[in-house]
Amino acid sequence: EAGVAQSPRYKIIEKRQSVAFWCNPISGHATLYWYQQILGQGPKLLIQFQNNGVVDDSQLPKDRFSAERLKGVDSTLKIQPAKLEDSAVYLCASSHGTSGTDTQYFGPGTRLTVL
Amino acid sequence: DAKTTQPPSMDCAEGRAANLPCNHSTISGNEYVYWYRQIHSQGPQYIIHGLKNNETNEMASLIITEDRKSSTLILPHATLRDTAVYYCIVRVVGNNRKLIWGLGTSLAVNP
Repeated sequence: EAGVAQSPRYKIIEKRQSVAFWCNPISGHATLYWYQQILGQGPKLLIQFQNNGVVDDSQLPKDRFSAERLKGVDSTLKIQPAKLEDSAVYLCASSHGTSGTDTQYFGPGTRLTVL
Repeated sequence: DAKTTQPPSMDCAEGRAANLPCNHSTISGNEYVYWYRQIHSQGPQYIIHGLKNNETNEMASLIITEDRKSSTLILPHATLRDTAVYYCIVRVVGNNRKLIWGLGTSLAVNP
């Protein structure tokens, strides 16, 4: 079974530029998550989708971050414009359903450096 | 969701058991204990979870105290590939309840 795919793996941009990350979850997984992980910290949930609907985006900085999952499968996370503090690893995860014990499977992440 | 407390770092000799503690003294009756780990430059990996009873799978064992205020993840025969940051998370049972991650324990397995 293929895992969660993410691209690109690395991205370097200058502040005020835009950037987009792509995630393809495990086939059949209804729930998709985007996390931000700053160096030395645990992941922080940015947004959670169930199929193509948003379940939780309470920690998404909506003035600059946006995400979509139009067909309920793959997803894109965008930052526009980027700030220095956005330098982090952006992790995508998926889970089969929405039960309380549902296991999340993570992709390798995209390491973003903002100069 | 209840918070967890873990030691920031631990060492273990290769081939020995690694016992990683986690304190969750404010855990509620409907909260599960989850363990994930993150090897350097990789995404987190699920290890095990439990509610009340001890659990074991091919990766590890989870021992939860009777009062559920603490737990221990046991890697029975640690290898160098087990070097990682281990996260203990408590999560309320129910749809769409997110995982809240702390800083974890950085485990170094030494040859």
